Amino acid sequence: DGGITQSPKYLFRKEGQNVTLSCEQNLNHDAMYWYRQDPGQGLRLIYYSQIVNDFQKGDIAEGYSVSREKKESFPLTVTSAQKNPTAFYLCASSAQTGRTEAFFGQGTRLTVV
Amino acid sequence: AQSVSQHNHHVILSEAASLELGCNYSYGGTVNLFWYVQYPGQHLQLLLKYFSGDPLVKGIKGFEAEFIKSKFSFNLRKPSVQWSDTAEYFCAVNAPYGGSQGNLIFGKGTKLSVKP
Repeated sequence: DGGITQSPKYLFRKEGQNVTLSCEQNLNHDAMYWYRQDPGQGLRLIYYSQIVNDFQKGDIAEGYSVSREKKESFPLTVTSAQKNPTAFYLCASSAQTGRTEAFFGQGTRLTVV
Repeated sequence: AQSVSQHNHHVILSEAASLELGCNYSYGGTVNLFWYVQYPGQHLQLLLKYFSGDPLVKGIKGFEAEFIKSKFSFNLRKPSVQWSDTAEYFCAVNAPYGGSQGNLIFGKGTKLSVKP
């Protein structure tokens, strides 16, 4: 069953702690993306990766970090430097960057207390 | 930089009414255009897409969109909405030959509520 798996669905962390959100895809897609969704703000791009071992900052990369060591995996770390980390995080992938549609995971809702 | 504007934040319609959701983008070159839908509690899924060719694009569930290059618009339409169309709709744009090829930029979304 092909798709994108994000885990966990809900995540709670204390302020000041780093936390890593998982994203795995078995669609054999080259490109992967991380978005943040806040009410009334739509989806804002955090980072994207066009190929293994390469990634680019999106519009709101500050306070986040990523890695792309394997084609199927694109984990996102929310660091303590992120001022307002509580949000809904969406991972997506596409066969080619920008030239095909993106497929989305179910999302991870992160709450920092 | 590219940007996408969705003019309606929340639209409320009765069943069988016609729907048109506005989407405008800012980029002068070649673009790929998308409409995504997010039903309550579900993940984002593609409604329709435009890459090239016929500017009138038909998608799933009776939705269609028209690309008007001169107006930088890609409005979503449906002749007769159903209660099950209640969802949030997102317009997205990418410039495949631009400097930021990876950027799939989304609008802020339009919530559609359909009253039975």
